[in-house]
Amino acid sequence: AQSVTQLDSQVPVFEEAPVELRCNYSSSVSVYLFWYVQYPNQGLQLLLKYLSGSTLVKGINGFEAEFNKSQTSFHLRKPSVHISDTAEYFCAVRVDTGFQKLVFGTGTRLLVSP
Amino acid sequence: DGGITQSPKYLFRKEGQNVTLSCEQNLNHDAMYWYRQDPGQGLRLIYYSQIVNDFQKGDIAEGYSVSREKKESFPLTVTSAQKNPTAFYLCASTSGRNNNEQFFGPGTRLTVL
Repeated sequence: AQSVTQLDSQVPVFEEAPVELRCNYSSSVSVYLFWYVQYPNQGLQLLLKYLSGSTLVKGINGFEAEFNKSQTSFHLRKPSVHISDTAEYFCAVRVDTGFQKLVFGTGTRLLVSP
Repeated sequence: DGGITQSPKYLFRKEGQNVTLSCEQNLNHDAMYWYRQDPGQGLRLIYYSQIVNDFQKGDIAEGYSVSREKKESFPLTVTSAQKNPTAFYLCASTSGRNNNEQFFGPGTRLTVL
C-alpha cells in the first residue's frame, strides 16, 4: 500500500530563515504528490502538487517542492519564512484503487518565531 | 463564491447520542469525502461518495454512517457505536475521477462530554 512519511512532527524556525519540511513516500509506478497547509481550526488548502513534468514545483505563498524519484522524496521548501507561515503542513499521495483517494502523512507543525 | 461549508463549527455531544455533521458544496463536484483528524495522526478517510446515491467505506468507517441523496450534500452521522468520537472532522470534494485536487471545508470539531 502506498504511504507517506513526514519524519518531523515539529520544525521551529526564526522569521526570514529558510525552511525545509521533509516528505517521503512509498514507491509506486505512477506518483501524484501534494502539499497542503492547515491554519489553526481551519480546513486544508492546497499549496502545490506534482503530477508530471518538471520536478521542481512552485506553489502559493512562495513555497516550492522538488520531486526526487530516486530518493522517493517530495520535500517542501521556502527560502524565507514569515510569522504567518506558522501552520501545519501535510504531504499526501494519490492512490488509485478504482477511485482517487489521498493518503496523508501525519503532518509537520511549522513554528515561526520573531 | 463557490466552496464547501460545514456546520456546526463546534459540536458537543453526550455519550450515547448520535449526531449529524453537515457538509454542503456548491462547486458542482461529483465526489465527496469525510476525514477524521486527530493530533499526530494526520487525516484518515471515513467514507467517500463518487456520485449521488452511492458511497463507500474508507479506512475507519466503523461507528459512522453517511448518505448522498443530493449532489451538493454529504452528511455524516457519528453514532453511539463510535468508541472515541472526539475529533476534528473535515469534508472534501473533487470534481471527478481524473481531477487531482481535493477542496476542503473548514471542519467541525466534535467533543463528547
